[in-house]
Amino acid sequence: DVKVTQSSRYLVKRTGEKVFLECVQDMDHENMFWYRQDPGLGLRLIYFSYDVKMKEKGDIPEGYSVSREKKERFSLILESASTNQTSMYLCASSSYKTALLDTQYFGPGTRLTVL
Amino acid sequence: KNEVEQSPQNLTAQEGEFITINCSYSVGISALHWLQQHPGGGIVSLFMLSSGKKKHGRLIATINIQEKHSSLHITASHPRDSAVYICAVQKIQGAQKLVFGQGTRLTINP
Repeated sequence: DVKVTQSSRYLVKRTGEKVFLECVQDMDHENMFWYRQDPGLGLRLIYFSYDVKMKEKGDIPEGYSVSREKKERFSLILESASTNQTSMYLCASSSYKTALLDTQYFGPGTRLTVL
Repeated sequence: KNEVEQSPQNLTAQEGEFITINCSYSVGISALHWLQQHPGGGIVSLFMLSSGKKKHGRLIATINIQEKHSSLHITASHPRDSAVYICAVQKIQGAQKLVFGQGTRLTINP
């Protein structure tokens, strides 16, 4: 079974802190994604990566950066956390075959609260 | 207007009823995904479709590429089917990412 794990289920940080959210997958997937999920707004893509050291902005990249130094690990960084970044953060991974994104496997999510 | 629209937004039904959730999209797609999210739980992928129909247990997903429409059906619904169901599409010219609908919240009462 594919496993996507996230470093924390719950996290509380203060405004201005630097926050690291880590995601690890064990299926050698090329593609990894960071989403945030807010009530009424659905899933929104922050950043994604299709290879090591490669990254692409999603729909809401402002205030975030990412790092993919190894294929299995994709990190989301909040350089200076703000209260409007309080949200559920979900990581996902998938393989990419013949120009099709295959089944997306999601991590359990990190509920981040910024005070 | 969102590129992916789901209907209804909320659906409440009695146990045993046949359920249909609809997804319409306005762009050319390579594939369409249906996902399920239980309250407080993670997201699970149910189906990926490029054409036709797929079935898994009591769940059936269909897609009509010409009409830009997909449906998710649940037969003999059960309270454990209560969840948010999310439709997502991979656009033909949208790189390696998905565009999501807002989700349909399904509640099945015993």
